[in-house]
Amino acid sequence: SYEVTQPPSVSVSPGQTATITCSGDKLGQKYVSWYQQKPGQSPVVVIYQDDKRPSGIPGRISGSNSGNTATLTITGTQAMDEADYYCQPWDSRNVVFGPGTKLTVL
Amino acid sequence: VQMVQSGPEAKKPGESLNISCKASGYTFTNYWIGWVRQMPGKGLEWMGMIYGGDSETRYSPSFQGQVIMSVDKSMTTAYLQWSSLKTADTAMYYCARQDRSFDYWGQGTLVTVSP
Repeated sequence: SYEVTQPPSVSVSPGQTATITCSGDKLGQKYVSWYQQKPGQSPVVVIYQDDKRPSGIPGRISGSNSGNTATLTITGTQAMDEADYYCQPWDSRNVVFGPGTKLTVL
Repeated sequence: VQMVQSGPEAKKPGESLNISCKASGYTFTNYWIGWVRQMPGKGLEWMGMIYGGDSETRYSPSFQGQVIMSVDKSMTTAYLQWSSLKTADTAMYYCARQDRSFDYWGQGTLVTVSP
């Protein structure tokens, strides 16, 4: 089955830009969604179809996908962005989640 | 749109279990519902999905034969069933509507299996 990798952790200072990557073979040929999960809460989709934001998701969260890497970018990172982030490529009949990246806002 | 799951469960190994996910606010028969497992302190695992219109199911190879997914269209409810639980089934289980992403999630059902 298809697999993707993510860095286990990313740290960023408040106000700086956080970049979380998701890598997989020819990932750019698949649509990728990104989910944010805070402790004790259900996941929330923050990006779908590579770069689309659901209503209510701030504009400082963006996504891209090309080649073998999808990227979630959070500009002007705030304390409230501290969470686990999971990428999720759509692969024909199966669904996989990335292993997750813990974003720490120092 | 709301996905409301049944409450926490405490079971013993070998027991059976059925948890539910009540969907509302959309046309149930037009969407897939996915089930996702999250073991304590771990990441998200897709278990499979079921179509509300005709109950077509697609299971992750990791969960094929381990659980059964079903729906009751009249109740707009999806179910996840185990016939014989193991301690390794201890986890939080989420249902989520599947559209261009998993766009609406339930609050999760915590299943604890211990002797």
